[in-house]
Amino acid sequence: DTAVSQTPKYLVTQMGNDKSIKCEQNLGHDTMYWYKQDSKKFLKIMFSYNNKELIINETVPNRFSPKSPDKAHLNLHINSLELGDSAVYFCASSQSSNEQFFGPGTRLTVL
Amino acid sequence: DQQVKQNSPSLSVQEGRISILNCDYTNSMFDYFLWYKKYPAEGPTFLISISSIKDKNEDGRFTVFLNKSAKHLSLHIVPSQPGDSAVYFCAASVTGSARQLTFGSGTQLTVLP
Repeated sequence: DTAVSQTPKYLVTQMGNDKSIKCEQNLGHDTMYWYKQDSKKFLKIMFSYNNKELIINETVPNRFSPKSPDKAHLNLHINSLELGDSAVYFCASSQSSNEQFFGPGTRLTVL
Repeated sequence: DQQVKQNSPSLSVQEGRISILNCDYTNSMFDYFLWYKKYPAEGPTFLISISSIKDKNEDGRFTVFLNKSAKHLSLHIVPSQPGDSAVYFCAASVTGSARQLTFGSGTQLTVLP
């Protein structure tokens, strides 16, 4: 009965590959987010979707493309992976409040 | 440009004593502040929040204080317990900003038994 789940938990891949990270929330929330935690441990917003509509799109390379098939899912697809994409990616969700609920994170390592 | 700063990367406290974690912000538009706790290999979990119309919010052992004039907030944990050992993130948002949170870099709290 995990509230916000992400798959996979670990992802190791070669430079230039394309990969996807999936996120699902069973809280009935209307807004979902993707964050990147870099090597300096900062959590930075990448994207936010409200009712499947993109509402936040920070300065992120267009190699990153979020896709929200429905309110409960927000997937992150990354094309042509680069070394600098190595980080921990967190999905989160919220409903009518500032409190966001986070998934366990996906540690992406690009070799 | 860090709008939310946690200047202490780590803090060690004896079990039973008070832990005080600090956070400063630069954006005067922020009107809602949150603290999250994070254990290794897990996502951040919400701990406590405060609106800018208040200067204190308390929830059990956790109290958050907000000093708007100084653009400073702090989290007090009393008494500290070993299970409180984690990374604590301060976050801030502007009402109506699509609930976008701006995070600090975190403070590693270690509570020594």
